[in-house]
Amino acid sequence: KAGVTQTPRYLIKTRGQQVTLSCSPISGHRSVSWYQQTPGQGLQFLFEYFSETQRNKGNFPGRFSGRQFSNSRSEMNVSTLELGDSALYLCASSLEGGLSNQPQHFGDGTRLSIL
Amino acid sequence: QKEVEQNSGPLSVPEGAIASLNCTYSDRVSQSFFWYRQYSGKSPELIMSIYSNGDKEDGRFTAQLNKASQYVSLLIRDSQPSDSATYLCAVRRTYNQGGKLIFGQGTELSVKP
Repeated sequence: KAGVTQTPRYLIKTRGQQVTLSCSPISGHRSVSWYQQTPGQGLQFLFEYFSETQRNKGNFPGRFSGRQFSNSRSEMNVSTLELGDSALYLCASSLEGGLSNQPQHFGDGTRLSIL
Repeated sequence: QKEVEQNSGPLSVPEGAIASLNCTYSDRVSQSFFWYRQYSGKSPELIMSIYSNGDKEDGRFTAQLNKASQYVSLLIRDSQPSDSATYLCAVRRTYNQGGKLIFGQGTELSVKP
């Protein structure tokens, strides 16, 4: 069974640009969550999508947005990039969130560098 | 106070010893608890999940949960150099937080041959 697939693996952008990251969850998984990982802040929750609806949102500015498609694939967009957005962006999927205790499984991440 | 706290380490243990990793959380309504292992330059990998008070064993790993003390731990028996990694504790308030996990800063474990 294929794991969580994130593309691209590496990305270099400049300040002010925008970027779209993609995540394909494990087959059958309907919940997709996004996290940002930096050395200083650690792993921080961005948002979660379930059945094409954003169900939870972390404390990030509106420049960070996402969506989920009917096949559960998800995309994350960051507009007007800032130097501080340089991070590893991780996608995690689970069978479902909410009342379920299903654990999340992470993809390999997208390493975003802002110049 | 951080929602999930871990000793940053590094924790250094000799090969074959028991490594003990600790985690405390602040929100009493937290219901699901997870341990992830992250090797340098890699993504987090799920090791254990625990939902009820007590111990849960899986091979060389044992997770312990005490909800009254808001404390969860991970024991690694017969530690191997390949266990050297950062261990992340994650907590979820399941009933209304969906897929939102709150992570600790992680404890770096070094197992010396």
